Amino acid sequence: DAGITQSPRHKVTETGTPVTLRCHQTENHRYMYWYRQDPGHGLRLIHYSYGVKDTDKGEVSDGYSVSRSKTEDFLLTLESATSSQTSVYFCAISEGQDTDTQYFGPGTRLTVL
Amino acid sequence: AQSVTQPDIHITVSEGASLELRCNYSYGATPYLFWYVQSPGQGLQLLLKYFSGDTLVQGIKGFEAEFKRSQSSFNLRKPSVHWSDAAEYFCAVGARGYQKVTFGTGTKLQVIP
Repeated sequence: DAGITQSPRHKVTETGTPVTLRCHQTENHRYMYWYRQDPGHGLRLIHYSYGVKDTDKGEVSDGYSVSRSKTEDFLLTLESATSSQTSVYFCAISEGQDTDTQYFGPGTRLTVL
Repeated sequence: AQSVTQPDIHITVSEGASLELRCNYSYGATPYLFWYVQSPGQGLQLLLKYFSGDTLVQGIKGFEAEFKRSQSSFNLRKPSVHWSDAAEYFCAVGARGYQKVTFGTGTKLQVIP
């Protein structure tokens, strides 16, 4: 299994509070991704990174920001959490060697009350 | 832009029976295609992938998939299902060199004795 950890694994927070989720990899892969998973929607890309300090938006980026100051860490921040952001969040990594194969972390279950 | 359709939301099969999960994609050129499996409460695990060459791809856990360009399909098959195969299965399509993958909405497989 690829060395990907996510923290926290579970979080309950209140509407309007900031939340930061962390993804850490030990594979030295160039690309990192944040997805959210919701019933009936599969996985939807929030943001991704193609290198340190290089990030881009995915299809559902509103209300989310990301940062990548080191190769191994990719942070997802909800500046002011809303109930619609209750979801399971997955981090993924890929080498970026033209194979597109992504490897996934265990997920973070976030509940916004 | 690429897209993926998994027409079956839920499938039930008997243990020992054969399985076929459908996946149709939309992409203008030859795509990268993937099947992932997700057990309850877990992250996604790669079952198999197609990049080029032989259109019949073998994966882990006894699964295989066939790329049919004329039908824009990449269906997943297994000749004899085991109870441990109960999970959710996701098909995904990627564009060469693009490093982003689009996931289908998933098919939940139930295995009955």
